[in-house]
Amino acid sequence: QKEVEQNSGPLSVPEGAIASLNCTYSDRGSQSFFWYRQYSGKSPELIMFIYSNGDKEDGRFTAQLNKASQYVSLLIRDSQPSDSATYLCAPSGFGNEKLTFGTGTRLTIIP
Amino acid sequence: GAGVSQTPSNKVTEKGKYVELRCDPISGHTALYWYRQSLGQGPEFLIYFQGTGAADDSGLPNDRFFAVRPEGSVSTLKIQRTERGDSAVYLCASRGQPNTEAFFGQGTRLTVV
Repeated sequence: QKEVEQNSGPLSVPEGAIASLNCTYSDRGSQSFFWYRQYSGKSPELIMFIYSNGDKEDGRFTAQLNKASQYVSLLIRDSQPSDSATYLCAPSGFGNEKLTFGTGTRLTIIP
Repeated sequence: GAGVSQTPSNKVTEKGKYVELRCDPISGHTALYWYRQSLGQGPEFLIYFQGTGAADDSGLPNDRFFAVRPEGSVSTLKIQRTERGDSAVYLCASRGQPNTEAFFGQGTRLTVV
């Protein structure tokens, strides 16, 4: 089993709709969860992080965490063409700072 | 510096040669990470350092790959006897506190011909 699994996509979403990105992880010791966005040819940049079960909202982005199911998701509301990118999920352990990324989900927002 | 700096930004080398890739992390950041990224894939973990020591090198693919961080700041990834399959973008990241944001450099694109 891979440490972090994401649907590779591509995921196509009409402009203005909600994009839903999912991630499952294998390490039950993971304590914090990061969502990075990577534009083509660029380096990853952090857009959201979440530590606690439940939802965390930041503008158009909502991260959802369910530690019992080892599942974390990212919702993007009112999707914009500028949201077209690859989204990477990265759990991080407590006492173990190894940061492992999923394969990423490629998202395309269709105008 | 203001951000993570990687040099060179591009490196073309011949098969069988030795290469060194350098990462200069954000000042004061104790954790430093190396990743390899191929087209269409997520960053593949190679190794991370806490201070001067390699805390986890489980991602190094074989003994041709080695990394050092002798003074706890700048790190060098060394690849011996390069192969065409080593061609990829090598990313470095650093972070200052546990479970906080990791900041990435712009990457080194390595091409082995």
